[in-house]
Amino acid sequence: NAGVTQTPKFQVLKTGQSMTLQCAQDMNHNSMYWYRQDPGMGLRLIYYSASEGTTDKGEVPNGYNVSRLNKREFSLRLESAAPSQTSVYFCASSDGPVSNQPQHFGDGTRLSIL
Amino acid sequence: GNSVTQMEGPVTLSEEAFLTINCTYTATGYPSLFWYVQYPGEGLQLLLKATKADDKGSNKGFEATYRKETTSFHLEKGSVQVSDSAVYFCALRALGESGTYKYIFGTGTRLKVLA
Repeated sequence: NAGVTQTPKFQVLKTGQSMTLQCAQDMNHNSMYWYRQDPGMGLRLIYYSASEGTTDKGEVPNGYNVSRLNKREFSLRLESAAPSQTSVYFCASSDGPVSNQPQHFGDGTRLSIL
Repeated sequence: GNSVTQMEGPVTLSEEAFLTINCTYTATGYPSLFWYVQYPGEGLQLLLKATKADDKGSNKGFEATYRKETTSFHLEKGSVQVSDSAVYFCALRALGESGTYKYIFGTGTRLKVLA
């Protein structure tokens, strides 16, 4: 039972490089989310997709773009990486905007930008 | 707006001690409340939840009661084990200003249990 799968698990980039973080869920969830986790700051929402075909900005969207490729997949792209984007990135999914069920999280991508 | 405040850590306890991690919230309407646990190098896992006032969520010896009158959802465990060492997040799901539901997380409380 895979749940939410994120790739890669670790990545080191140089400033200015670009990369895409991949996320896929197999629970038939409607909503998907991208968070970043920094020490002492908890989780901050970058972007979310309430349903297939829609995306919205969260709390800290600057420097990121997202694509909801289909119901299963939601990718996060850094176009020009900056050291301030060094963080642990988590993808999550949930039933949808009406359900009161919790989110399910992947194991994270640990990203370092030099 | 919606917010979650939880006690700062780290919390260090001896094995078999009683655990309380405080969590209070501000929310419009009737939020759902959650506790998540994060073990080193892993993602967040749902520990327990409560969806209406006076509900008690429980799992793996942990409990939390949804107290609407005090807007609290404190996490408790009667006897902690070394394996409970982790970071604990309180979270809520509530209606945001834009009219869509949002998940809001506290900053996390690190628990360290000593043998």
